[in-house]
Amino acid sequence: QQQVKQSPQSLIVQKGGIPIINCAYENTAFDYFPWYQQFPGKGPALLIAIRPDVSEKKEGRFTISFNKSAKQFSLHIMDSQPGDSATYFCAASRYNTDKLIFGTGTRLQVFP
Amino acid sequence: DGGITQSPKYLFRKEGQNVTLSCEQNLNHDAMYWYRQDPGQGLRLIYYSQIVNDFQKGDIAEGYSVSREKKESFPLTVTSAQKNPTAFYLCASSPPGTGREAFFGQGTRLTVV
Repeated sequence: QQQVKQSPQSLIVQKGGIPIINCAYENTAFDYFPWYQQFPGKGPALLIAIRPDVSEKKEGRFTISFNKSAKQFSLHIMDSQPGDSATYFCAASRYNTDKLIFGTGTRLQVFP
Repeated sequence: DGGITQSPKYLFRKEGQNVTLSCEQNLNHDAMYWYRQDPGQGLRLIYYSQIVNDFQKGDIAEGYSVSREKKESFPLTVTSAQKNPTAFYLCASSPPGTGREAFFGQGTRLTVV
């Protein structure tokens, strides 16, 4: 119930492609779903987040799609660039708690 | 510059020794966290603290200890009881109210030799 399942484990795309990373959860009490981006040797940084009252959120080239009935959410990166090469983590938390539950991460490589 | 400072960046420890990882924040955040990161396993919560002088165990607290004597500081001690201490350790904090947007430090890579 507390897990967030993330796939794929790794992803390779050409520059300009649209990588998609998927996450699924079981706990219907979760109501905050952020994505974090981590470069090698650095700490993760918040990229974009969504709450379940909307089905999509865009920030620049990054889009979260959220399907409440399927308990799934995904990250799309439009016009991907080599600088987007990083590890991406989805996460979830529920109201009035201070704990984020993280997925296992997806290593993205974007080749020129 | 506001942020979270972890030190040292790299740490080597002999088996059987305790070691303390430092985490300091000047963001005035109430909540602070310690995560452990291993390849293919994501971020796993070790301990977290919501206020000074109070902290709770996370999912993998065995072999670790923490203290929260000041709002700005949340040091983590990796004890000799931790069976597999070699990992990348991340400290984070979150602002008051929601506790959901976590800000991370740059991490400490601990290697047991």
